Amino acid sequence: GAGVSQSPRYKVAKRGQDVALRCDPISGHVSLFWYQQALGQGPEFLTYFQNEAQLDKSGLPSDRFFAERPEGSVSTLKIQRTQQEDSAVYLCASSLWGEETQYFGPGTRLLVL
Amino acid sequence: KNEVEQSPQNLTAQEGEFITINCSYSVGISALHWLQQHPGGGIVSLFMLSSGKKKHGRLIATINIQEKHSSLHITASHPRDSAVYICADSNYGGSQGNLIFGKGTKLSVKP
Repeated sequence: GAGVSQSPRYKVAKRGQDVALRCDPISGHVSLFWYQQALGQGPEFLTYFQNEAQLDKSGLPSDRFFAERPEGSVSTLKIQRTQQEDSAVYLCASSLWGEETQYFGPGTRLLVL
Repeated sequence: KNEVEQSPQNLTAQEGEFITINCSYSVGISALHWLQQHPGGGIVSLFMLSSGKKKHGRLIATINIQEKHSSLHITASHPRDSAVYICADSNYGGSQGNLIFGKGTKLSVKP
């Protein structure tokens, strides 16, 4: 079975541009997490889905950040009107329901110029 | 606020040395995770433990719940162990079990 995949792997955006980052979790994984990792820092929690329900979005840094998982599998993290401080690696992780081990994707490296 | 602190931030070792990375956390947890991150971003889960000690190959992880402290040890270190090692805690008794990460320890093992 394939692991967690993310696309694109790299994204360069001009300040003010909207971007969409995709995550394909492991098939059957109910839980899906988005994390943001700034350069030289540990990842920080953004949002969590259980199936299609977004149960926690407390980590989203502003209302420019929006995530969805409409069918309970693929998830998209959208950032509107990107700013330079949005430059980071965006990591997606998935896990089975009731399991604490999370499986991480390779991340999307976003650079906002 | 739950905080996870790691030390050292950077570590350089000679091949064959015994390595210890420390992690402390501030609130009660359901599990403590050790993860490895290679250049390019990929994160791999090494251990998840809630008590005692776990061993996998040359890697050993220990946790002291009373002291809210965990250590990751690498025996007979090798250049391929060079990576960033991150500890993270989770409180799965909450709504989702999202991970709270430390800043990571960058390990470089020289041949």
